[in-house]
Amino acid sequence: AQSVTQLGSHVSVSEGALVLLRCNYSSSVPPYLFWYVQYPNQGLQLLLKYTSAATLVKGINGFEAEFKKSETSFHLTKPSAHMSDAAEYFCAVSDPSGGGADGLTFGKGTHLIIQP
Amino acid sequence: EAQVTQNPRYLITVTGKKLTVTCSQNMNHEYMSWYRQDPGLGLRQIYYSMNVEVTDKGDVPEGYKVSRKEKRNFPLILESPSPNQTSLYFCASSFDLGDEQFFGPGTRLTVL
Repeated sequence: AQSVTQLGSHVSVSEGALVLLRCNYSSSVPPYLFWYVQYPNQGLQLLLKYTSAATLVKGINGFEAEFKKSETSFHLTKPSAHMSDAAEYFCAVSDPSGGGADGLTFGKGTHLIIQP
Repeated sequence: EAQVTQNPRYLITVTGKKLTVTCSQNMNHEYMSWYRQDPGLGLRQIYYSMNVEVTDKGDVPEGYKVSRKEKRNFPLILESPSPNQTSLYFCASSFDLGDEQFFGPGTRLTVL
């Protein structure tokens, strides 16, 4: 079985400041990892994904995430926050071997607030 | 345009009145899934389907039914809705089980 823990249900940063959203996972096999973003009144959109290639993954809108196996982490960062980054962010993990029937397992989400 | 569509987007109904939320994808994806999203609980999987006529329960299947008669469609059926099924529902699809999922725009359901 796999699980995801997102530290902090709400994170507030000032416009222009560093964004750091934390995600730790548990998986019995080398996982695929994803970050999704949900803007108000919209569905989920893929930000980036890790599929066992480069450990530093670049996504859309200036976001990136680093896979750290030793820490079982996949934290999301952006050097300079913009007001338009205000949204709900979800980390997700999957078992790419297909051995389990879990599909994607999501964290509970982190609401990012940008202060002007 | 590659997309997942859901209908209706908003629905208000009363307890016990059967309803169906439709989901359709045009990407020829094998895997489809339904989630519900509730504050503080994130997304929880209701049912999923790995191919036509193959469906299975997710984490919170009670009170829901699904069917997969065609590859592109995966309707969610609430035979007798109850207020605790008031939620935001998302349909998603992907090429494979552990792959990136593409999400529909969501259906906000209120059961009075």
